Amino acid sequence: NAGVTQTPKFQVLKTGQSMTLQCAQDMNHNSMYWYRQDPGMGLRLIYYSASEGTTDKGEVPNGYNVSRLNKREFSLRLESAAPSQTSVYFCASSIQVNYGYTFGSGTRLTVV
Amino acid sequence: QKEVEQNSGPLSVPEGAIASLNCTYSDRVSQSFFWYRQYSGKSPELIMSIYSNGDKEDGRFTAQLNKASQYVSLLIRDSQPSDSATYLCAVGYITQGGSEKLVFGKGTKLTVNP
Repeated sequence: NAGVTQTPKFQVLKTGQSMTLQCAQDMNHNSMYWYRQDPGMGLRLIYYSASEGTTDKGEVPNGYNVSRLNKREFSLRLESAAPSQTSVYFCASSIQVNYGYTFGSGTRLTVV
Repeated sequence: QKEVEQNSGPLSVPEGAIASLNCTYSDRVSQSFFWYRQYSGKSPELIMSIYSNGDKEDGRFTAQLNKASQYVSLLIRDSQPSDSATYLCAVGYITQGGSEKLVFGKGTKLTVNP
């Protein structure tokens, strides 16, 4: 029972490079979320997808795009990475908010 | 803007003591409340959920909710060094578009000293 799987676990990018963070869940959850976590800032929502085929901006969407490929997969793309995007990124999923979220293990991204 | 406030700590307690973690939230209509534990370098892990006013106990953990005061707390009895972690309070709410989201506090770092 894998839960929420994120790849890669670590990544170093140069400023201006692009990359896609992958997230997949095997719990048949409807909703999926991307957060970033920075020291002193807590978890901040980047984008979310309430259901397959829909995506919405969270509180810090600038510089990111997302794709809900199917019910299982929700990817986060950085088109032109900036040092301010150095962070730990977490993907999460839920069947319904009343049941809380299940988090993936995270991606530690450094942009130099 | 929905807000969830926690004392950032750090909170330090001796082994065997009761650790008390507190959280306040801004949205009066919120109906679901959660506590997550996050060990250093790891992802948040759900440890408690509560939906009704009062107390909910699960082993050494007790969550307390007071909707009138917009206040949620987590008590950890007989604290162990393995409880040392950052504890995140999360509150659920429904957006205008009907989507459901959690808003997280910034977390309280707890250290249990042997």
